[in-house]
Amino acid sequence: GAVVSQHPSWVICKSGTSVKIECRSLDFQATTMFWYRQFPKQSLMLMATSNEGSKATYEQGVEKDKFLINHASLTLSTLTVTSAHPEDSSFYICSARDTGDIQYFGAGTRLSVL
Amino acid sequence: RKEVEQDPGPFNVPEGATVAFNCTYSNSASQSFFWYRQDCRKEPKLLMSVYSSGNEDGRFTAQLNRASQYISLLIRDSKLSDSATYLCVAYNNNDMRFGAGTRLTVKP
Repeated sequence: GAVVSQHPSWVICKSGTSVKIECRSLDFQATTMFWYRQFPKQSLMLMATSNEGSKATYEQGVEKDKFLINHASLTLSTLTVTSAHPEDSSFYICSARDTGDIQYFGAGTRLSVL
Repeated sequence: RKEVEQDPGPFNVPEGATVAFNCTYSNSASQSFFWYRQDCRKEPKLLMSVYSSGNEDGRFTAQLNRASQYISLLIRDSKLSDSATYLCVAYNNNDMRFGAGTRLTVKP
């Protein structure tokens, strides 16, 4: 199946710093990628839909100035958590949709903000 | 009301048992449906798509009832390796909604 690479897999940072997470579709072009957040024992929560060449669409309650999304090419989307705080600690997962409407997920990034 | 609802479980079953998960969705415009499997601290992985006619993949059978807006997953002859959280997904026009997941533990 299609492969989506997400990097880094684990980040520990100090409060106030910014963290950038990359999501790449390795063997297909993805005009649309998705960013999710998952807290322990909870479901995936869609944060935003990332569209290549245009602004991301954010879900209600997700601050676009805090979670910056850039989808500069058909194979790469980035999520930057700006001025991270302990409450931002979570598991962030990206996914990319192929032409058959199936979403393939990256391995996730575990963010711990101290 | 959540768009996709699942019984969170946990379901604890012995090896070899048959177990069924149910899921309901609220958006009648949903076009595609899937079951994903998520292991602890890992990303979700596609288990199978769900078709109106029902589909089977080995020990797994998925069914869709559009009239009742209901999806099911049946696992026969459970293996220890089936222990995971199973996520029901309804998809409509670039909008993919996940259920909270049903946790399954298969015990020896």
